[in-house]
Amino acid sequence: SYVLTQPPSVSVAPGKTARITCGGNNIESKSVHWYQQRPGQAPVLVIYYDSDRPSGIPERFSGSNSGNTATLTISRVEAGDEADYYCQVWDSTSDHWVFGGGTKLTVL
Amino acid sequence: EVQLVETGGGLMQPGGSLRLSCAASGFNVSSNYMSWVRQAPGKGLEWVSVIYSGGTTNYADSVKGRFTISRDISKNTLYLQMNSLRVEDTAVYYCARDSDTPYYGMDVWGQGTTVTVSS
Repeated sequence: SYVLTQPPSVSVAPGKTARITCGGNNIESKSVHWYQQRPGQAPVLVIYYDSDRPSGIPERFSGSNSGNTATLTISRVEAGDEADYYCQVWDSTSDHWVFGGGTKLTVL
Repeated sequence: EVQLVETGGGLMQPGGSLRLSCAASGFNVSSNYMSWVRQAPGKGLEWVSVIYSGGTTNYADSVKGRFTISRDISKNTLYLQMNSLRVEDTAVYYCARDSDTPYYGMDVWGQGTTVTVSS
């Protein structure tokens, strides 16, 4: 089955840029989605189709996908961005959704 | 307003059964792909099951043969019938509006309902 690998944690100072990676075999051939989950809350879709933002998501959130790595970039990080972030792809071999293990973003 | 509300969670003994419900408003469950996703305590997200608009279903290997996803069009509600529960099924269960292609992800989520399996 397809495996997505994320770093367990990323730390960034307020106002700086955070980059969260999601590794997978030839992931560039897949459409990657990203979710933000604040403590005690349900996940929220922040990026879909590698780099598109749903309405209501700030432009500070962006995404890219190349080779074996997809990246979620959060510019001008704010305290409110502190959350767990998950990447997701559809594995057409098994017809299953696959989530990465999640990355905890800490704002210093 | 587009919304999903899950109910039905609780404390169950191993081997027991439970049915979760997910009431939708603002859109039709029958016209969309719908998924269940769970999150064990302190762990990440795990996809559980999907029902396509045409009624076809699919399951994660960890629940296949034990869980059944279904929907009631008249009630605009999604269900997850959980049988032969195991301790490792303990989790918060979320329903989500899914995409009918791999390109759009899950754009609407419920608040979750907690299932605890313990003797």
